[in-house]
Amino acid sequence: QKEVEQNSGPLSVPEGAIASLNCTYSDRGSQSFFWYRQYSGKSPELIMSIYSNGDKEDGRFTAQLNKASQYVSLLIRDSQPSDSATYLCAVKMSGGSWGKLQFGAGTQVVVTP
Amino acid sequence: EAQVTQNPRYLITVTGKKLTVTCSQNMNHEYMSWYRQDPGLGLRQIYYSMNVEVTDKGDVPEGYKVSRKEKRNFPLILESPSPNQTSLYFCASSGRSGTDTQYFGPGTRLTVL
Repeated sequence: QKEVEQNSGPLSVPEGAIASLNCTYSDRGSQSFFWYRQYSGKSPELIMSIYSNGDKEDGRFTAQLNKASQYVSLLIRDSQPSDSATYLCAVKMSGGSWGKLQFGAGTQVVVTP
Repeated sequence: EAQVTQNPRYLITVTGKKLTVTCSQNMNHEYMSWYRQDPGLGLRQIYYSMNVEVTDKGDVPEGYKVSRKEKRNFPLILESPSPNQTSLYFCASSGRSGTDTQYFGPGTRLTVL
């Protein structure tokens, strides 16, 4: 079982709609969670970080965290063609491996005009 | 300009020929990390460093070495490269491993023949 799992997609979203991305993780002690966006051929860039249960909003992006259920999600509102990219969920490991960061395989999002 | 630089950006080499990929950051970051990215597998952490002279293994350290003699530099060494190390490599840095944004370098595409 992978430690961080995401649906690979592609997730096709009409322009203006909401894109919903999900991520589950296995390390129950994890406390730090991140969403990165990666355009094709480019390096990942951080778009959201979340540490507490609940929602965190930043512009058109909302991250949701539920530690009891061990999932973190990302909503992209009013999706734009420029949002077409691969979205990577990352989870910082707990305990003795607290420097380790585990990434999911990523979900490809395609926003269609 | 705050940045993480990697060299070379592209490298084609042959099995067994030692190589080093350099990584340098100008943000005085404590934490640095190396990842490899392969299709369908996402980003996998190779090694990370919490500070000078402090390094630890990530998920896929076999066949790689690192050193952290200076805060700004974190080279990745492949002593005897093999074809299964053909991949896209990213270096990243952050102020603190758990809560700070990780800034990624532009990537190094390595092909081992």
